[in-house]
Amino acid sequence: GAVVSQHPSWVICKSGTSVKIECRSLDFQATTMFWYRQFPKQSLMLMATSNEGSKATYEQGVEKDKFLINHASLTLSTLTVTSAHPEDSSFYICSAKGTVDPYEQYFGPGTRLTVT
Amino acid sequence: ELKVEQNPLFLSMQEGKNYTIYCNYSTTSDRLYWYRQDPGKSLESLFVLLSNGAVKQEGRLMASLDTKARLSTLHITAAVHDLSATYFCAVDSSNSGYALNFGKGTSLLVTP
Repeated sequence: GAVVSQHPSWVICKSGTSVKIECRSLDFQATTMFWYRQFPKQSLMLMATSNEGSKATYEQGVEKDKFLINHASLTLSTLTVTSAHPEDSSFYICSAKGTVDPYEQYFGPGTRLTVT
Repeated sequence: ELKVEQNPLFLSMQEGKNYTIYCNYSTTSDRLYWYRQDPGKSLESLFVLLSNGAVKQEGRLMASLDTKARLSTLHITAAVHDLSATYFCAVDSSNSGYALNFGKGTSLLVTP
């Protein structure tokens, strides 16, 4: 149980285009979802926290107009990278908290974005 | 700001040896987590430590938590090659909506 999926698992896009990443909780309701970014050989950095039906809360230094987060249902959150640039190339990982275990965050498999 | 420091950042050890990874955090936290990450993969949950004095063991890994010292340890016993990975500790707090603050990670290489 407590499975989180992400789609796509990897994506290559051209500079200036937008790309959407989906994060789904498959077998539980995710009241809160988190989006993290991980550059090569670095740690995970929180980008934003989203609660179902509310606007996302972005971390300092993360442009909310560039990284659009929508958490429209209890099983789906999306991250749209708008006008992507090569420096946005990274590993994006979502996690979800729900009613399964209040202490646990369940991580998705990650999405590797390469902007050319 | 909640800071999490791990050491060492890199660790090369021989099979069969024991070693400990340390995780210090700067302020009161609700919970301490340990994760494993293999190259190109996402995180695998190892342990969730909820209270002072908590100790959990799974196979060759044992984690402990001292909330007074704000210190957690991940002890590796009789290392095997399959344990080669990057290990992260993380803490959460109600101040951050329970988002995780990660340490920089410890890259572990177990050699024959």
